Parts: sequence; structure tokens; C-alpha cells
Amino acid sequence: ETGVTQTPRHLVMGMTNKKSLKCEQHLGHNAMYWYKQSAKKPLELMFVYSLEERVENNSVPSRFSPECPNSSHLFLHLHTLQPEDSALYLCASSPQTGGDEKLFFGSGTQLSVL
Amino acid sequence: RKEVEQDPGPFNVPEGATVAFNCTYSNSASQSFFWYRQDCRKEPKLLMSVYSSGNEDGRFTAQLNRASQYISLLIRDSKLSDSATYLCVVLYSGTYKYIFGTGTRLKVLA
Repeated sequence: ETGVTQTPRHLVMGMTNKKSLKCEQHLGHNAMYWYKQSAKKPLELMFVYSLEERVENNSVPSRFSPECPNSSHLFLHLHTLQPEDSALYLCASSPQTGGDEKLFFGSGTQLSVL
Repeated sequence: RKEVEQDPGPFNVPEGATVAFNCTYSNSASQSFFWYRQDCRKEPKLLMSVYSSGNEDGRFTAQLNRASQYISLLIRDSKLSDSATYLCVVLYSGTYKYIFGTGTRLKVLA
């Protein structure tokens, strides 16, 4: 499936690096999300954008900076990360219209911070 | 108390067995409910939505009990390919907050 495309699939970065995760959805959805999944923990909601406006920001450290230039694209800019930020980062989208609330995920970025 | 609670398992069952998972949620304002399946190192994929009247999709049956605030997933005639982690997901009314359980691991054994 190519409904939600995430790049890169894997990323290794040092604590002083700056990198960005990219997400694109081809489903015509209105809402886009960033989730973090650490080992043995449930998915944690980081950010939500609805029609390019940020509607949720779950007390995420400022070293994570989201950007939503349009309703199809979402970025997560990373800088001065810590080793504990190593995790699977998942982008998702949902219609949020007409009662159709299903959430669709991209394949994720496995991030390792050294 | 966690917002969404699941037994982490693992549930080890033989092929052909019937297995059931339960999930409890704490917020009565929860509106929509889903089961997702996640394979190791992959993204979660929607298995089925859960409706108040209960719903079935092939070998999978989902039930919702709003009074007791739990949902269930029943898998009949388990296949090896059903081995995965099953995630219970709750959406709060009028929000974008999809809350995930930690998941229940299922291993179907030959």
C-alpha cells in the first residue's frame, strides 16, 4: 500500500545532528499525525495537524519540531536528540469527515540516536 | 490507571484454536473503537472497527460493551499468519486523540 509514505525507513544520527522525517499521504485525508513507539510502550501521540493547523501538541520536547506545509505533507525536524529518543516514529492520517475515523499509518522510521 | 489496558500476553495457541482478547478503557467519553494488528517492526494496520452491535469479518468478531467499558476480539480457526500483536484503540469524542493499548501478542503454533 502507498496511501501514507514515510521516509527514510531507517535513520542513525548523532546527538548533534539535524535531520528531518518526511511523510506524504495520498488519501485526501484532513488530519495527519506523528506517533512515537518505544519498546514495550504503547504508541504515544506527539502532534496532530488538521487542515495544516496544529491541533494537538502532547508536551513533546522542543528538539522535535513538526511542520505541515499542506494537507498532504508532514515533516518532523529533529535536532540535538538524546539516546532515549531512539524509537519507531510513525506518521498517520485520517479523514475526520463524515464519521469515517479510521487511522492509516506509514511504514515508520526506525530512529537510532548514538 | 491506564487509559486503555490490554493483557500483554503472549497468548500461545495451536493452529485452529479460538482465542479471545479483551481491552478495557477508562474514559466513558470514548466514541470510536478499533482493533489494529502490528507485525514485528512494522506499522499498525487496521483490522476492524468495533460497533456497538458487534461486528464480524470472516474469522474475526469484535464486541463492544459500553456499560462495562470493554471491547473484545475473537479469532476463530487461528492461522499461523495470525501471529502478531493486536492493538486496542480508542478515539475520544470530538478529538483527534487515538489512544492505543500496549497490545496483546499472539503466537499461533503449528
